[in-house]
Amino acid sequence: DAKTTQPPSMDCAEGRAANLPCNHSTISGNEYVYWYRQIHSQGPQYIIHGLKNNETNEMASLIITEDRKSSTLILPHATLRDTAVYYCIVRVGQAGTALIFGKGTTLSVSS
Amino acid sequence: ETGVTQSPTHLIKTRGQQVTLRCSSQSGHNTVSWYQQALGQGPQFIFQYYREEENGRGNFPPRFSGLQFPNYSSELNVNALELDDSALYLCASSLKDTEKLFFGSGTQLSVL
Repeated sequence: DAKTTQPPSMDCAEGRAANLPCNHSTISGNEYVYWYRQIHSQGPQYIIHGLKNNETNEMASLIITEDRKSSTLILPHATLRDTAVYYCIVRVGQAGTALIFGKGTTLSVSS
Repeated sequence: ETGVTQSPTHLIKTRGQQVTLRCSSQSGHNTVSWYQQALGQGPQFIFQYYREEENGRGNFPPRFSGLQFPNYSSELNVNALELDDSALYLCASSLKDTEKLFFGSGTQLSVL
């Protein structure tokens, strides 16, 4: 079973920041938080991952709470193309371990 | 575009038949994973191959089997198809000991 809890759906206006929450209260010290997204009719796409520090790349920012029990994925200026299912995954940072997907959050960006 | 290609894109089979799905990894990637995604669900891990050997397996019966070839391309074989095998099958490639998986667009399998 997935070790994360996400809201089933969220809405966001185009151009605004989209903040997607994720709870992972049972996360272990050696588990990373990963975010992937899946646009309709495509395979999942890697967005970002982190262990305990906040991370930023060209796609998004990842904010992890100090106790590591929750995190937030931030898309700073959402566009219509960001409409997708967003998956928050915790995973041991070791090759060979699988990604355990939950049902994710369906983000709908509208104009 | 991830550089991971899967074929065919769609397939219809009858219960009891066998099916082979194919995946071409992104150039330079030596690890391939297969996932099954039922409608409305997140992908579920089937297995992973590294250097032509199975390197991890999810909760799937033995009738799900795989191969990885020296050029790192891969096949997923499913025997004795059941109606519940209807799903999107996703292939993902990566470099061993790296964190990112690159997924193909999948093969949509329908079992009638």
